[in-house]
Amino acid sequence: ETGVTQTPRHLVMGMTNKKSLKCEQHLGHNAMYWYKQSAKKPLELMFVYNFKEQTENNSVPSRFSPECPNSSHLFLHLHTLQPEDSALYLCASSLVQVNGELFFGEGSRLTVL
Amino acid sequence: AQSVAQPEDQVNVAEGNPLTVKCTYSVSGNPYLFWYVQYPNRGLQFLLKYITGDNLVKGSYGFEAEFNKSQTSFHLKKPSALVSDSALYFCAVRDIGTGRRALTFGSGTRLQVQP
Repeated sequence: ETGVTQTPRHLVMGMTNKKSLKCEQHLGHNAMYWYKQSAKKPLELMFVYNFKEQTENNSVPSRFSPECPNSSHLFLHLHTLQPEDSALYLCASSLVQVNGELFFGEGSRLTVL
Repeated sequence: AQSVAQPEDQVNVAEGNPLTVKCTYSVSGNPYLFWYVQYPNRGLQFLLKYITGDNLVKGSYGFEAEFNKSQTSFHLKKPSALVSDSALYFCAVRDIGTGRRALTFGSGTRLQVQP
């Protein structure tokens, strides 16, 4: 398996549920990112991890909790979400040492009821 | 702060005609610029980038983009559109001076190519 893999691809949850999104990259990268994509809005950067350390948190509500146990895996833990959190959540990775492009996964489509 | 503007929500073009998708950017320093494409229910696929050098960069699927520093633009172009080019296109920027690796994206432009 190659590239950036996100699971699950689709998730429906109630406002009181707890769920997690998973991202795994097989590219040997050391930086990982979570972006949120809502309709007709720019992609919103949520979190950045370099070498497993969080380097950016763009004022994301605490109901979103990221976890990066190693450079290949990134999680987004979800709890007590709101309907407006329904969106496509995209994971990406890159090499910190190279000022190049980000490589994206297919995304996890989240629906909050 | 860095930002990207894609002034057109949608661009319509006939198959075989040239296409242009517009992008302007704002950074405090020098930019690295990127174009991505997104097909329905898929993630973002990298098309091309401008880092340095020739202002005209060529990328995947016959796309190219021209970096214009004076107009702070990085428009995406293709000489002859295909129906299969119909998708959502995103422009993105990284401000070299900030040291950040994350990209700032525009809101996207939907390209519709009619047969």
